[in-house]
Amino acid sequence: DAEITQSPRHKITETGRQVTLACHQTWNHNNMFWYRQDLGHGLRLIHYSYGVQDTNKGEVSDGYSVSRSNTEDLPLTLESAASSQTSVYFCASSESIGSDTQYFGPGTRLTVL
Amino acid sequence: GDSVTQMEGPVTLSEEAFLTINCTYTATGYPSLFWYVQYPGEGLQLLLKATKADDKGSNKGFEATYRKETTSFHLEKGSVQVSDSAVYFCALSSGTSGSRLTFGEGTQLTVNP
Repeated sequence: DAEITQSPRHKITETGRQVTLACHQTWNHNNMFWYRQDLGHGLRLIHYSYGVQDTNKGEVSDGYSVSRSNTEDLPLTLESAASSQTSVYFCASSESIGSDTQYFGPGTRLTVL
Repeated sequence: GDSVTQMEGPVTLSEEAFLTINCTYTATGYPSLFWYVQYPGEGLQLLLKATKADDKGSNKGFEATYRKETTSFHLEKGSVQVSDSAVYFCALSSGTSGSRLTFGEGTQLTVNP
């Protein structure tokens, strides 16, 4: 069965370190998204991609970057982790532009000390 | 810009009670509207959707009707079960946002036996 996976599921890191969160989907979807979930804010969009070599900034992109070298993967990198980036991170995918149903991964809980 | 407002939570109900979670939106054009559900420790799952005015989305006993005149998409269920305990998110996708979703803050529902 097609799925979307995230790794690691839990990560503890220190302020200033670079961290990369992995997202892999086997739906062969063109669109991929990264969100962070914080109490009182719902889900906020960090970055998104509509296809290979395409990346776009979302609502809360400062301090984060993504790259899309193939259809299946959209890794999220925190260049220099800050305590404000402690959050739960969700990756999602959807089939194509105009196809708005998104499928979510299980999430990564990141703690920055 | 687009925005979604959900009723404040948390909501606590007894089993078999009637559930309403209010959702109103602001968007350009004619958005598609969604309810997603997040069970403890999991990612979000699509619960139901509606793509045009007066459409009713339904799934697992939950319903929501797209009301353009009141810009609302309230979630209802006639008789909740303990297994419905989760966080519920209202979301929209508008014509100007491509496939991106804008989420409400989420409403925590707890159903007691």
